[in-house]
Amino acid sequence: EAQVTQNPRYLITVTGKKLTVTCSQNMNHEYMSWYRQDPGLGLRQIYYSMNVEVTDKGDVPEGYKVSRKEKRNFPLILESPSPNQTSLYFCASSLDSFNNSPLHFGNGTRLTVT
Amino acid sequence: KQEVTQIPAALSVPEGENLVLNCSFTDSAIYNLQWFRQDPGKGLTSLLLIQSSQREQTSGRLNASLDKSSGRSTLYIAASQPGDSATYLCAVPKAAGNKLTFGGGTRVLVKP
Repeated sequence: EAQVTQNPRYLITVTGKKLTVTCSQNMNHEYMSWYRQDPGLGLRQIYYSMNVEVTDKGDVPEGYKVSRKEKRNFPLILESPSPNQTSLYFCASSLDSFNNSPLHFGNGTRLTVT
Repeated sequence: KQEVTQIPAALSVPEGENLVLNCSFTDSAIYNLQWFRQDPGKGLTSLLLIQSSQREQTSGRLNASLDKSSGRSTLYIAASQPGDSATYLCAVPKAAGNKLTFGGGTRVLVKP
């Protein structure tokens, strides 16, 4: 089944403890992206990647890192999480880099930083 | 800076009524426009993608129109059903890049 898989679905952690949220897609998509969704602020783009080894900042990249060493994987890294990074995170992918194909989303990761 | 607005934020209709959802954007230089559906606690599902050169796109009971000059898109859902209850979001990428800007969404409740 074609899908975008995020892990974990739920994560509770403490301030400053490094964590990684994994994202993997099995559709051979070039484009991958991370979003966070917060009440009243909607969905905001964190980072995106147009292909392997090509990443770029979205609208809210501060406090996050990403890497794209393989086409299928696009992990989101929080080196030193803070409570303001408590949010619902989504990974998404699409076939091409020019947004001519629809975005496929994972089911989300709900992160709580205490 | 692109701003995307969806009004109303919430909508309640009886089953069978047609739904009309609005999306407006400030910068008409868009590459395309996508409509998504989000169920509670779930990710987004792409419903329709309209290229900037298209005026409308149809899929089953769904029809989306695009008027770039006025910065508006409308999603029509015919003969609504309780299963259509969800939040509907629109999103546009900048023409020259890949940053997607999302609207705040319209939460729809279809009452049986």
